[in-house]
Amino acid sequence: AQRVTQPEKLLSVFKGAPVELKCNYSYSGSPELFWYVQYSRQRLQLLLRHISRESIKGFTADLNKGETSFHLKKPFAQEEDSAMYYCALDNNAGNMLTFGGGTRLMVKP
Amino acid sequence: EPEVTQTPSHQVTQMGQEVILRCVPISNHLYFYWYRQILGQKVEFLVSFYNNEISEKSEIFDDQFSVERPDGSNFTLKIRSTKLEDSAMYFCASTILNQPQHFGDGTRLSIL
Repeated sequence: AQRVTQPEKLLSVFKGAPVELKCNYSYSGSPELFWYVQYSRQRLQLLLRHISRESIKGFTADLNKGETSFHLKKPFAQEEDSAMYYCALDNNAGNMLTFGGGTRLMVKP
Repeated sequence: EPEVTQTPSHQVTQMGQEVILRCVPISNHLYFYWYRQILGQKVEFLVSFYNNEISEKSEIFDDQFSVERPDGSNFTLKIRSTKLEDSAMYFCASTILNQPQHFGDGTRLSIL
């Protein structure tokens, strides 16, 4: 069975501080990992997918298969980054996403 | 940019009543999904739908649930006899092959 764990429900940082939102997964095959973001009163939006290996809004995430992790990082947090962040796994059968519990990021001025 | 749209945004229903949640996926998408999120809990997969049939469903998706694509544009989720524990946000998503899923705004279902 596949599982995604986000150990922190809330992460509070000051503007300009580095941010790391943790995500660990368990899956026996080769998964595809995503980060989705949900700003206040808005829909879930794709932020990153691991196969793209790109940086969006200053965020990056590297898939570490040895540690089964896909942590989301940003060197300098901005107030507009405040949102709910969800890590998700696709088993590559295209049939479902398994989500972590989400981490609420609060960036204080 | 095209979006997945869901209606209504909020549905209030008496326990035991049937409810239909509606979704219009992005027009060229072929794979459709329903997820739910009970307040304070994680987003959970319910069902996926492709080529006019269910391709996968979770154990949450019991006989009280059904999905349909009645007219080539709408994708509906029906709950036949609602229970209090069905109260949740329900999200529709769609995609084409090998692309990330796009989500709608969700429907908040409140069962009284």
